[in-house]
Amino acid sequence: EVQLVESGGGLVQPGGSLKLSCAASGLTFSGSGVHWVRQASGKGLEWVGRIRSKTNSYATAYAASVKGRFTISRDDSKNTAYLQMNSLKTEDTAVYYCTDLPKGSSGLTSWGQGTLVTVSS
Amino acid sequence: QSVLTQPPSVSAAPGQKVTISCSGSSSNINNYVSWYQQLPGTAPKLLIYDNNKRPSGIPDRFSGSKSGTSATLGITGLQTGDEADYYCGTWDNSLSAGVFGGGTKLTVL
Repeated sequence: EVQLVESGGGLVQPGGSLKLSCAASGLTFSGSGVHWVRQASGKGLEWVGRIRSKTNSYATAYAASVKGRFTISRDDSKNTAYLQMNSLKTEDTAVYYCTDLPKGSSGLTSWGQGTLVTVSS
Repeated sequence: QSVLTQPPSVSAAPGQKVTISCSGSSSNINNYVSWYQQLPGTAPKLLIYDNNKRPSGIPDRFSGSKSGTSATLGITGLQTGDEADYYCGTWDNSLSAGVFGGGTKLTVL
């Protein structure tokens, strides 16, 4: 199983940018997809986006609410995935989780502890 | 408004059984469905994947099933420690995006 640790959260003004990191330990990271999921305070889970493995051409997909503003990338040599967030809006305020989708599974298996992003002036 | 529809809350007594439904459409529920448990103040945890498979360490009190455009999570032998929010999730082919249900709060009376 993969252990995941998010970092990079914090307070940012509307219109600003922030880059989150997701550091993974475990041998299966490079073969897994990485998904980002967010949760506003007191609300449910919202899927943000994902990046597939090298085998799947690092294909990305995004929720409509963040498409064109957020970009997911990964560096398998560092066992790290990233979420670049631009043009941030107050409604992007949430705890952001990274999670992995192991090869051959449909379930988001390992989850980080989450990092809080607050967009406010 | 979530693409997948779950009841906001369910409740049952300790030792009893409860089911949580997840209703969608052919563009999403036709794919594999997974279920997640989120205890207060913690990250979600995978309970069920591929509709009905349990990761190692998940007790067989938890089960998943699917019929038509709905999926169901079943929990038997309820314990107070099962009080949590439960979410269904899958991929939506029309949206080309992952989707979650709105979540169901389980109360063990």
